[in-house]
Amino acid sequence: DVVMTQTPVSLSVSLGGQTSISCRSSQSLVHSDGNTYLYWYLQKPGQSPQLLIYKVSNRFSGVPDRFSGSGSGTDFTLKISRVEPEDLGVYYCYQGTHYPRTFGGGTKLELK
Amino acid sequence: QVQLQQSGTELVKPASSVKISCKASGYTFTSNYMHWIRQQPGNGLEWIGWIYPGNGNTKYNQKFDGKATLTADKSSSTAYMQLSSLTSEDSAVYFCARSAYSRDYFDYWGQGVMVTVSS
Repeated sequence: DVVMTQTPVSLSVSLGGQTSISCRSSQSLVHSDGNTYLYWYLQKPGQSPQLLIYKVSNRFSGVPDRFSGSGSGTDFTLKISRVEPEDLGVYYCYQGTHYPRTFGGGTKLELK
Repeated sequence: QVQLQQSGTELVKPASSVKISCKASGYTFTSNYMHWIRQQPGNGLEWIGWIYPGNGNTKYNQKFDGKATLTADKSSSTAYMQLSSLTSEDSAVYFCARSAYSRDYFDYWGQGVMVTVSS
């Protein structure tokens, strides 16, 4: 199975601040069709996860431009700028390239 | 609008089975994949598998082979997941989530079903 390793496990950020989350995969996530099926989700407390970023760097509909994704191959990053209270929760990376699909272990974003 | 409405909380006994549902509305049920994802208490997310309701094709995470069975009823636009031979390890929240393609993102999620396995 492809192991998705997220770091750090938790983050403490000030409102208005900036932060980033790393996601590394144990195998390349580049599919034979040329796409990289790496996604980022945010799970707010008591809610279902919600999509933020698809295929590495594309913001989903309605996601503020404070969120940006980057990376390639096995190394990916989610950056959050101008952190707002609504950004708090657990962030997960997820790969759709290989079976079984796998998620990262999660990064909990808290307020400082 | 797209909605995935899951069935209610389940309290079940060890060694038994449970079938949870995910009723879809607001889109063409047979033209999208339905995935199931597990979240054990305090833990992260695990992908269980998908079903394509259009033709009934399924794909499972090998870890859940023999544990989970995915089905879909086109007439009621409802996806089901049956979990068998339940143990305390199966106590978790189970989500259904839709994607347009098997590799695609999950754009809509159900609210989750809490399954508690206890005698």
